[in-house]
Amino acid sequence: DTGVSQNPRHKITKRGQNVTFRCDPISEHNRLYWYRQTLGQGPEFLTYFQNEAQLEKSRLLSDRFSAERPKGSFSTLEIQRTEQGDSAMYLCASSSWDVQETQYFGPGTRLLVL
Amino acid sequence: AQSVAQPEDQVKVAEGNPLTVKCTYSVSGNPYLFWYVQYPNRGLQFLLKYITGDNLVKGSYGFEAEFNKSQTSFHLKKPSALVSDSALYFCAGGNYNTDKLIFGTGTRLQVFP
Repeated sequence: DTGVSQNPRHKITKRGQNVTFRCDPISEHNRLYWYRQTLGQGPEFLTYFQNEAQLEKSRLLSDRFSAERPKGSFSTLEIQRTEQGDSAMYLCASSSWDVQETQYFGPGTRLLVL
Repeated sequence: AQSVAQPEDQVKVAEGNPLTVKCTYSVSGNPYLFWYVQYPNRGLQFLLKYITGDNLVKGSYGFEAEFNKSQTSFHLKKPSALVSDSALYFCAGGNYNTDKLIFGTGTRLQVFP
């Protein structure tokens, strides 16, 4: 059973560029979550999917952010027109049906916007 | 608003001594509570959770936590600390009405030889 994987692990970009991250959840996990973690803080919820449906988005997720999970398997998180404030670790987690089920996290993608 | 608090930014303990990492929560209804550990440049690794039932929950690597409803706490404990336990620990909570976890700000545990 492979865990949650995320690519790339690191991304350095210039302000104003677009970036896309990918998350591959544990197979057969219905739920997929995206979190953002900045230095000295705990992960903050961004959005989550149940199968291919995006069910909730945080207010942290501005219009420049978009997430998809087209076939209910892997997910992508795109940030358009990146800003220096977007620099953070982006974490993906997956779980089976319910919020009480354990969320298993990937290694994260560390984004640095110059 | 629901929240999870970890009142200590850092905990230092000698190897072999018991350790406690504190967590308090403000979650309506019946809370679901989790502990995760994070090593440098890594994702979060699940340690244990409380959903219902026995207030004392046992998890990975000899860790345990006690759910205390009256004190709204879920402190993480280990009888004998190891140097390899040194890491960042996060408490998280949710309930049936929310579809996400709320995380605390983390506690850095340092176990010295």
